[in-house]
This record gives sequence, structure tokens and C-alpha cells, in this order.
Amino acid sequence: SQQGEEDPQALSIQEGENATMNCSYKTSINNLQWYRQNSGRGLVHLILIRSNEREKHSGRLRVTLDTSKKSSSLLITASRAADTASYFCATPSRRGTSYGKLTFGQGTILTVHP
Amino acid sequence: NAGVTQTPKFQVLKTGQSMTLQCAQDMNHEYMSWYRQDPGMGLRLIHYSVGAGITDQGEVPNGYNVSRSTTEDFPLRLLSAAPSQTSVYFCASSYVLTGTTDTQYFGPGTRLTVL
Repeated sequence: SQQGEEDPQALSIQEGENATMNCSYKTSINNLQWYRQNSGRGLVHLILIRSNEREKHSGRLRVTLDTSKKSSSLLITASRAADTASYFCATPSRRGTSYGKLTFGQGTILTVHP
Repeated sequence: NAGVTQTPKFQVLKTGQSMTLQCAQDMNHEYMSWYRQDPGMGLRLIHYSVGAGITDQGEVPNGYNVSRSTTEDFPLRLLSAAPSQTSVYFCASSYVLTGTTDTQYFGPGTRLTVL
């Protein structure tokens, strides 16, 4: 099963509203990453939050991490139609002394209506 | 920098045919990986490599082979294509940092249909 699970599976909002997506994971992590995928394209990295951080900002993006609950949230403020995309959380898996695998959740499909 | 490039963009195969999906990166990344993306399944890791000559299996390795003879290239081979391998395939690369996995850079994808 997936390490990261996003919630909700789909989200539809109006331009200017905020969008919040959640991610839960199962094992301990060193960091958690969020990616965006526009339709038919490859994934683009948005933000990485380390396990010793609780909150991180990047432009209109705000990511929180609660390691005690094994969960993270991505908030997009003042959404725009161009934010319409799928959003994925991803967590690294440990193998030996290096972290070679990144496991993705199933994603949240965000639709922002003009 | 071209980043991560994948060829071909589209491919149609018949059941039983073999082919190689190409992936190359010019960022001197040690880590490279292949994912497949199916509707409702998210991305699933097929194989990955932490450096030239080193490869390992991901979640769904059956039916696929990889090798890593150079830092730049990480081809994915389908040995005998099956309809279940119809999917969009993404290659990704990153630096490998001790203790964590860094930002992944993705290619544009190869859309494969097996008839």
C-alpha cells in the first residue's frame, strides 16, 4: 500500500478561495515532499519539509508537518485557475544508510473555477 | 541544462514485443528512478538506481529490466509487453544525500499502449 495517502481525492473551489490538502503516512520519515502535476505533464517539486520543521512557506504555499500524527497538510492561499492540477505528497523510505526510494500517495485533484 | 529527458513520448506495442524506454539527465544526479502512473493508482516505483552499476527493485518490478552503465542514462526495458503494462512512465532523478532523499526532477513521461 502507499506510504502517503492524500485527502480529499478531489477538491473543487472558486478562484480566490483557499485549498487545503492532507497527507497521512505510516512510518517515520526524514522529510516529506509535495509535488504538482498538470494534466499530461511530469511532476514538479513544490516544497520539502524536514522532520524537525513544523511549518514551511513558499509564496502562496504553506505546508505543515505533524510527526506525532504522521500527517502533513498543503494550503494554497488565494487560489488561481492556474493552480488546477493534481497534488501529491511523497515520503522517502530508508534502505541501509541511504534513502533510495521515494513513495508517492495517490494524489488530490484540485480544480479551481474562474 | 535539458534536465531529465525521455524518449519516445508515445509508443504503441503489440503483446509480446519488447522495447526500451530511454531516460537521460544532465544534472550529474546519482539517483534515478522509473515510475508508472495509472488512473487512481498514483505513481508506483518500478526500479531505481543510486549510482552507476547499482540498481534495485521498487514496488512493481515484474516484467521490467534496468541497467545503469553511466551516471547520465537509465533505460527501462520491457521484455515481453503485456496489456497490463499500458501506462504512463516517468523517469526521475535527484542527488542522493546521506540520511534523506532529495527533490526529484521528473521527465515529461512516455505514454505506452500495449494492444
